[in-house]
Amino acid sequence: DAMVIQNPRYQVTQFGKPVTLSCSQTLNHNVMYWYQQKSSQAPKLLFHYYDKDFNNEADTPDNFQSRRPNTSFCFLDIRSPGLGDAAMYLCATSRYSGEQFFGPGTRLTVL
Amino acid sequence: GEDVEQSLFLSVREGDSSVINCTYTDSSSTYLYWYKQEPGAGLQLLTYIFSNMDMKQDQRLTVLLNKKDKHLSLRIADTQTGDSAIYFCAESDGVTGANNLFFGTGTRLTVIP
Repeated sequence: DAMVIQNPRYQVTQFGKPVTLSCSQTLNHNVMYWYQQKSSQAPKLLFHYYDKDFNNEADTPDNFQSRRPNTSFCFLDIRSPGLGDAAMYLCATSRYSGEQFFGPGTRLTVL
Repeated sequence: GEDVEQSLFLSVREGDSSVINCTYTDSSSTYLYWYKQEPGAGLQLLTYIFSNMDMKQDQRLTVLLNKKDKHLSLRIADTQTGDSAIYFCAESDGVTGANNLFFGTGTRLTVIP
């Protein structure tokens, strides 16, 4: 089945230790998104890739970076995680401005 | 920027109808969406409505849009225990060729057997 896959589902890192979250898709969608969802809050868009073009939201901290080496994969890099970065990170894809399909999320714990 | 608001909690008895409300501020929204999130899971698109429509029905789900008041609602008929989840409304900014979504705070629906 075509889908959006996120690995790992649960990630534990230490304060200040860089961490990378992974997202892959078999839908061949040209747009990939990363959202941050803190406990009991709404998902918040961090950035998206439209094809190879990176689009950052204005209030996304510099601590968050992303890479998209090919159509299928997109990575979220957190350079120096702080306690406030503990959250669920959701990846989504869409074909242009069509419906977004979400992955199951990666829950990040920062110790 | 976009601001989307929802009430935080709703409890209904099994078999009753549920109505979840949402207000938004961005009048340029093209589409408005309802997503369902079960515990520990990602977001599942339930339904959406185009901004030039007033109502959309899809099986047990009815979406009503009052564009003048910027008010969106989701009615779930014959609510079941499996409907217990958090429901998010979302609007897209329609600015870019992508589909950036801005979510409300979510309404936690509890269905009482």
